Amino acid sequence: EVQLVESGGGVVRPGGSLRLSCAASGFSFDDYGMTWVRQAPGKGLEWVSGINWRGGRTGYADSVKGRFTISRDNAKNSLYLQMNSLRAEDTALYYCARDYGGNWEDAFDIWGQGTMVTVSS
Amino acid sequence: QTVVTQEPSFSVSPGGTVTLTCGLSSGSVSTSYNPSWYQQTPGQAPRTLIYNTDTRSSGVPDRFSGSILGNKAALTITGAQADDECDYYCVLYMGSGIWVFGGGTKLTVL
Repeated sequence: EVQLVESGGGVVRPGGSLRLSCAASGFSFDDYGMTWVRQAPGKGLEWVSGINWRGGRTGYADSVKGRFTISRDNAKNSLYLQMNSLRAEDTALYYCARDYGGNWEDAFDIWGQGTMVTVSS
Repeated sequence: QTVVTQEPSFSVSPGGTVTLTCGLSSGSVSTSYNPSWYQQTPGQAPRTLIYNTDTRSSGVPDRFSGSILGNKAALTITGAQADDECDYYCVLYMGSGIWVFGGGTKLTVL
């Protein structure tokens, strides 16, 4: 079964850091680009970051550029999101999603169930 | 900054047809924006309906179709059912590795 499982969410103070993980199974992880999408409570979806199949190309939304870093370990079938300098407005459910192709510029076909990040003092 | 626009809400009668749209605050949507559509019920992860403008994702019934209508991307649902009542999101590829979601449309079936 094709599956994505996020982990690493939690409560963190403003200015703090958190590292999210996304474990992939049931498909050849290193064939696909991957993406992080978030959803603040009661709000819509927001694209956060994408990475190509090899990890050599990345992209970020302006709202997180310079604070978040996306990476992947194809040997571990895992995607990561390092989040630094967290702000209250980063509070959201974070989803990882698989792209249809090797980059993150096709569309998102498989989604995880999400991991919640709460930034609060 | 370009904003992706969607109707905040829409209503359709059971069995009816509804077309949701996805536009730009400035300019026209074309296939080069690679529009895709996602369905989300409360408490659940999004489900992919349509990608590459008009390609249905695996397992999506043919009641759902995508297109370009005028200067917008469109999602048409024919024969609306009660369980189609949920939120629908479009997303456009802006180039340079950037995607932007619309604000979503809450569809009511009544």
